[in-house]
Amino acid sequence: KAGVTQTPRYLIKTRGQQVTLSCSPISGHRSVSWYQQTPGQGLQFLFEYFSETQRNKGNFPGRFSGRQFSNSRSEMNVSTLELGDSALYLCASTVTSGRDETQYFGPGTRLLVL
Amino acid sequence: QKEVEQDPGPLSVPEGAIVSLNCTYSNSAFQYFMWYRQYSRKGPELLMYTYSSGNKEDGRFTAQVDKSSKYISLFIRDSQPSDSATYLCAVEGFQKLVFGTGTRLLVSP
Repeated sequence: KAGVTQTPRYLIKTRGQQVTLSCSPISGHRSVSWYQQTPGQGLQFLFEYFSETQRNKGNFPGRFSGRQFSNSRSEMNVSTLELGDSALYLCASTVTSGRDETQYFGPGTRLLVL
Repeated sequence: QKEVEQDPGPLSVPEGAIVSLNCTYSNSAFQYFMWYRQYSRKGPELLMYTYSSGNKEDGRFTAQVDKSSKYISLFIRDSQPSDSATYLCAVEGFQKLVFGTGTRLLVSP
């Protein structure tokens, strides 16, 4: 099976712009989560989508939004970019088997805001 | 106070050493415990997953959970240069998954 794919891998934007990141989960996985990773804060949860519905949300401002399509692909959008939004954005697809829930991460999109 | 505390390192060891990586967490509601390994320019990959106190072994890796102390550990035996990476602990409970900031491990040949 192909792993989680994310596009683009690298992105440079300027303050005030908006950006859309894409994630394709592993085939058959219906849950997609997004994380922001920075050296100081580590991995921080943004939101989770399951069957096109947002199931969980982290403590990020409304500038961060997402959606999931019927084929489980997900997009994340950040509007009015700030310098502090520079980070690695990771997507993970989740499979549940009994009590076990395993997340598989994509390679991430590295966003630099200038 | 952060929900999960992890020493950022770096931790430098010679090849063949036993490595001990640790995390503490604050909320006893967390029930599931994971260790991820992240190589440079890659996403994290799951190494170990456990939901009970005690030890879980997988090859050279042993995960240890002490719920009474809210303390989790990852031991790496016979460490190899290919183990050089950032190791993240994660705890989960009530549909909430919280990661540590990661410990950077450097294994020198």
